[in-house]
Amino acid sequence: DVKVTQSSRYLVKRTGEKVFLECVQDMDHENMFWYRQDPGLGLRLIYFSYDVKMKEKGDIPEGYSVSREKKERFSLILESASTNQTSMYLCASSGYSGSAYNEQFFGPGTRLTVL
Amino acid sequence: KNEVEQSPQNLTAQEGEFITINCSYSVGISALHWLQQHPGGGIVSLFMLSSGKKKHGRLIATINIQEKHSSLHITASHPRDSAVYICAVGRNEKLTFGTGTRLTIIP
Repeated sequence: DVKVTQSSRYLVKRTGEKVFLECVQDMDHENMFWYRQDPGLGLRLIYFSYDVKMKEKGDIPEGYSVSREKKERFSLILESASTNQTSMYLCASSGYSGSAYNEQFFGPGTRLTVL
Repeated sequence: KNEVEQSPQNLTAQEGEFITINCSYSVGISALHWLQQHPGGGIVSLFMLSSGKKKHGRLIATINIQEKHSSLHITASHPRDSAVYICAVGRNEKLTFGTGTRLTIIP
């Protein structure tokens, strides 16, 4: 069974704090993704990584950075949290088989509240 | 205009009814995904398809590439089918998501 785990289910932080969200997958997947999910907007891609130390910006990267030092771990960093970053954050991973048809496996999500 | 549009946004039905959720998209894709999200956040992939039709239990997904349209059907719906159903289109490794259809099945 593919497992994608996230470090926290719920997190409350103060404006201006540095926030780390961790994601770990156990299927040796090449690709890892960070999304945020907001009511009425659906899931939006923040960053993704297709290999260790490689990253690409998604649709809404402003205010975020990422780190992928090991294949199984992908971290999302909020350098200085703001109230508009209050959201549900979801991590996902997928394998690469030489085709584009790759199912993504999702973690349980972290509900972040910034006060 | 969003690249992926789902309808309806909300759907309430009686147990046993046949359910249809629609998804239209406006871009070229490599595959279309249907996902299910239960309260609490966890997202599960139901189907990934690039042509034709797939069936898994009471769930059926179809896609018409020429019309850029997909449907998710649930036969003999049950209260445990209550969830948000999300359509997503894939281009290479990335997915673009619809905003979801909230389905409620009343016993």
